[in-house]
Amino acid sequence: EDKVVQSPLSLVVHEGDTVTLNCSYEVTNFRSLLWYKQEKKAPTFLFMLTSSGIEKKSGRLSSILDKKELFSILNITATQTGDSAVYLCAVELSGGSYIPTFGRGTSLIVHP
Amino acid sequence: SQTIHQWPATLVQPVGSPLSLECTVEGTSNPNLYWYRQAAGRGLQLLFYSVGIGQISSEVPQNLSASRPQDRQFILSSKKLLLSDSGFYLCAWSRQGAYGYTFGSGTRLTVV
Repeated sequence: EDKVVQSPLSLVVHEGDTVTLNCSYEVTNFRSLLWYKQEKKAPTFLFMLTSSGIEKKSGRLSSILDKKELFSILNITATQTGDSAVYLCAVELSGGSYIPTFGRGTSLIVHP
Repeated sequence: SQTIHQWPATLVQPVGSPLSLECTVEGTSNPNLYWYRQAAGRGLQLLFYSVGIGQISSEVPQNLSASRPQDRQFILSSKKLLLSDSGFYLCAWSRQGAYGYTFGSGTRLTVV
């Protein structure tokens, strides 16, 4: 059975801290790994990773994939209260309809 | 540009009542369409996906059904709601063969 495991499940930090969120996976036919940020409602897209070792960066957020060790990390530097959200990791499989498998998410709370 | 509409935003329904949630996509044709449910503190659980009109695949057997009467319309239904059907329901779409997903704004369903 395909699995996506995120850790930690929850995290509480103060503004200015740096956080690292983890996503490990056990899937057959890996195609891509996706990170989403979910505040109150719909998840919004952050990154898509398909190749090992290539860092994707957007402002204070960055992510990298290790296809040998089967994990990805999402880094957030100089956290702000607006970063408080649930961060979801999903793995897409190749072949067929590319159905993604989601992890349970990491709940991040940033205190001022 | 493509947009996805999902309604209603919130719904409170008594046990045993029927359900109909609607999702439509604009600005694209022949999208892959998905229904997810997110229980409190849990990740996204894929309920149904569709690669074309009238083509529905169910991932989890349960009290719900889905239909795709038109290319860009996806409907989630139930004949008789259970308490366990409460949750946050998300519709999503993706392009055939492309990476990534775009989510609707979600419906918060409470069965009482």
